[in-house]
Amino acid sequence: KNEVEQSPQNLTAQEGEFITINCSYSVGISALHWLQQHPGGGIVSLFMLSSGKKKHGRLIATINIQEKHSSLHITASHPRDSAVYICAVRRHGGSQGNLIFGKGTKLSVKP
Amino acid sequence: DTGVSQNPRHKITKRGQNVTFRCDPISEHNRLYWYRQTLGQGPEFLTYFQNEAQLEKSRLLSDRFSAERPKGSFSTLEIQRTEQGDSAMYLCASSLGEQFFGPGTRLTVL
Repeated sequence: KNEVEQSPQNLTAQEGEFITINCSYSVGISALHWLQQHPGGGIVSLFMLSSGKKKHGRLIATINIQEKHSSLHITASHPRDSAVYICAVRRHGGSQGNLIFGKGTKLSVKP
Repeated sequence: DTGVSQNPRHKITKRGQNVTFRCDPISEHNRLYWYRQTLGQGPEFLTYFQNEAQLEKSRLLSDRFSAERPKGSFSTLEIQRTEQGDSAMYLCASSLGEQFFGPGTRLTVL
């Protein structure tokens, strides 16, 4: 079993829909990242969380440390949100470098 | 552009050849990371530098792989005697805290 699991693997939505992507992890962590990867490979860091909730524009990320679960929400989705969304965690006590990544959720938003 | 840059963006090589990739981090970032990503998978950690010191290497980094960061600025990742299984996207990231990723180098080994 992977240490970081994301669901769903693939998600298709209509423009304007509210989207939720889930991430569960099985190790103690010091931080959790949500990343966005567009076709062609470039990765953009969306959020780094260690507790609670963060909001940036239409994106909201939450984390429940006790339940070892995080969610990424997109409100009023738009076709330009189409990308792969990746959850990654830094293991508690782990090195600065060693992020453990989920396999990603491929989101497609239709106009 | 003050982001992380990687060169080349694409590399096609024949099995058995050596390849070298370069990563230029954000200038004030002291930490630099290399990851590998195969199709349909999330990135996997390869190695990590703090300034010029290589502090951690994954077991994925076989003896055919070597990474350097000689002056604590740019880094190179060399793969010797490439194999078809080395075909992947090689990602570099740099940080002071939060990691910033480069666009990646896509390697295809024929």
